[in-house]
Formats: sequence, C-alpha cells, structure tokens
Amino acid sequence: NAGVTQTPKFQVLKTGQSMTLQCAQDMNHNSMYWYRQDPGMGLRLIYYSASEGTTDKGEVPNGYNVSRLNKREFSLRLESAAPSQTSVYFCASSADSDYNSPLHFGNGTRLTVT
Amino acid sequence: LAKTTQPISMDSYEGQEVNITCSHNNIATNDYITWYQQFPSQGPRFIIQGYKTKVTNEVASLFIPADRKSSTLSLPRVSLSDTAVYYCLVAPRSGSARQLTFGSGTQLTVLP
Repeated sequence: NAGVTQTPKFQVLKTGQSMTLQCAQDMNHNSMYWYRQDPGMGLRLIYYSASEGTTDKGEVPNGYNVSRLNKREFSLRLESAAPSQTSVYFCASSADSDYNSPLHFGNGTRLTVT
Repeated sequence: LAKTTQPISMDSYEGQEVNITCSHNNIATNDYITWYQQFPSQGPRFIIQGYKTKVTNEVASLFIPADRKSSTLSLPRVSLSDTAVYYCLVAPRSGSARQLTFGSGTQLTVLP
C-alpha cells in the first residue's frame, strides 16, 4: 500500500520554465491538497480538491494551477516558475470532505528555481 | 480562524515524558485538534486527534481542558527517534479547507 506518491522527488527549473508536479493516492480518498513548506516555516495550503471534479484556492494560490484528473490524481502546475517558488511541495489526501479526517502526506517534491 | 501558538523548540532526554502545549484561544465549537509529526525529508504524519478531555493511542496522549483554549501532546518515554517537528492543527468539522494551515511547529530534540 503506497499511500500518497509524489513525482518527481527533486527538480531544478530556470526562471520562466513550466512544470507539473504529480500526485496520486491509492487509499480511495475523496479530498486532496497541495501544500508548500519553506525553511523553518509551517505548511501553507496552495490548492485543495474536496472531491473529484472540484478545486478551490488555499492560502497561497498565486502562480499555480491544479487539475483533479480523477479520484486518485491531483496535479500542481507552475506555468512560469519564479525564484520565490523555490520550496518543498507536499501533496496530501483525506478520506472525505469532513476536514477533521486526518491528512495523509506524500514525501514531497523539492523544487529549486534559479 | 483558530490561530495556534507553540514553543519553537524543546529539548529532552531519552526515557523522559515530553509535553508539548499548543494555544488556540479562538477555537470554535466545532473545531477538532490534531497533532502531526514530521521528520526531515518526509511529509507530516498523523499522531492523534481529539475534541475534549483526554485521548490516548499507542504512541501519545492528548489532553484538552474544558475551555479547549489549549491542548497538550504527551509523549511517554521518548527515544532518539522521536526527534522531529510537531505540529498542532485546529480544523473545523465543516467549512473551507483554507483553514487547514499549519503553524511553525515545535522542534523536539531528544538527547542521549
């Protein structure tokens, strides 16, 4: 049982390049989330998807887009990367739209934008 | 939003009990309190969740006083492998997931 799988694990981009971070969960969870974590800081919510077919902005959505491809997969896209987007990105899922359901996290994608 | 406040860091020795307190003065009636543990280069991992009084599982206990304005995570007999960052998260039963934002957490260092 893999849980939440994120790809790639590491990525280096140049300013202005685009890329898509992939996330998949095999727990049949309804809700999925994208967070970013900067050094010494907590996790800030970028976007979330309460259920298949819906997405909503979190605390820091600017510069990002998301796609809930199906129930299993939730991708995060950077259209034009900026150095301020250098961070560790975590995908998470939870059983349902009741936000008290524990979050299950992947191991992150470490992104550097030069 | 129920903002949370935790100590930035704590040190302990192996075998001791560790208590980490989180303040959440603006907690709402329907909010639950959840604690997560994060090791370097990994995503946070769920530890325990509660609404009031005391909750215990195989790894920790969670104490919540009657006014629910704070909560204490208790780790019995810590070992070196408990060195990690611990996050307190206050989340509503319903409403916007925008409120699922983590604070800066508490860095626990267990010394030999």
